[in-house]
Amino acid sequence: DAGVTQSPTHLIKTRGQQVTLRCSPISGHKSVSWYQQVLGQGPQFIFQYYEKEERGRGNFPDRFSARQFPNYSSELNVNALLLGDSALYLCASSFEGIGYTFGSGTRLTVV
Amino acid sequence: AQSVTQPDIHITVSEGASLELRCNYSYGATPYLFWYVQSPGQGLQLLLKYFSGDTLVQGIKGFEAEFKRSQSSFNLRKPSVHWSDAAEYFCAVVNAGGTSYGKLTFGQGTILTVHP
Repeated sequence: DAGVTQSPTHLIKTRGQQVTLRCSPISGHKSVSWYQQVLGQGPQFIFQYYEKEERGRGNFPDRFSARQFPNYSSELNVNALLLGDSALYLCASSFEGIGYTFGSGTRLTVV
Repeated sequence: AQSVTQPDIHITVSEGASLELRCNYSYGATPYLFWYVQSPGQGLQLLLKYFSGDTLVQGIKGFEAEFKRSQSSFNLRKPSVHWSDAAEYFCAVVNAGGTSYGKLTFGQGTILTVHP
């Protein structure tokens, strides 16, 4: 079985641009969460979606948005990129919304 | 608000030596606890989890962790470390109720270096 897949694996963007990151959960998993991991720190919660509804939102500005599609895949969008948005973005999926399996992440560099 | 503290930023052990990584949590109810491992530039791999029941839980790669409610701790242990265990280890607690259900709160991580 395929695990959680994220695309792209690496991305370089310029300040002020917009970026879309994609995540496909494990088959049968209905919950997807997004985390930001800045170098040297633990992951920070951004969003959780369950059955296409936003269930939780972390302490991130409105420049960050996400959605979940009918097939349970998800996109994370970040507008007006700042240098501080450079990080590893992790997607995680779960069947019941508690125990998560993580993808390998998307490394975003903002220059 | 829930929180996780990993007091040791960096630990160095010799191959074959025993290992204990510390984790303390703050959570208002019975916690659901996790240990994840991360190799450089990679995602997080689940080592083990505690939801309820036996306070000593076994995980993959020979790791185990013990939940101690009185000490608010969930320390990770391994009796004999292998060079391939060198990585960063994260302890986490999940919000199992209310708003932000399913939100994981992570500690800052402990980097493990293994000397031959």
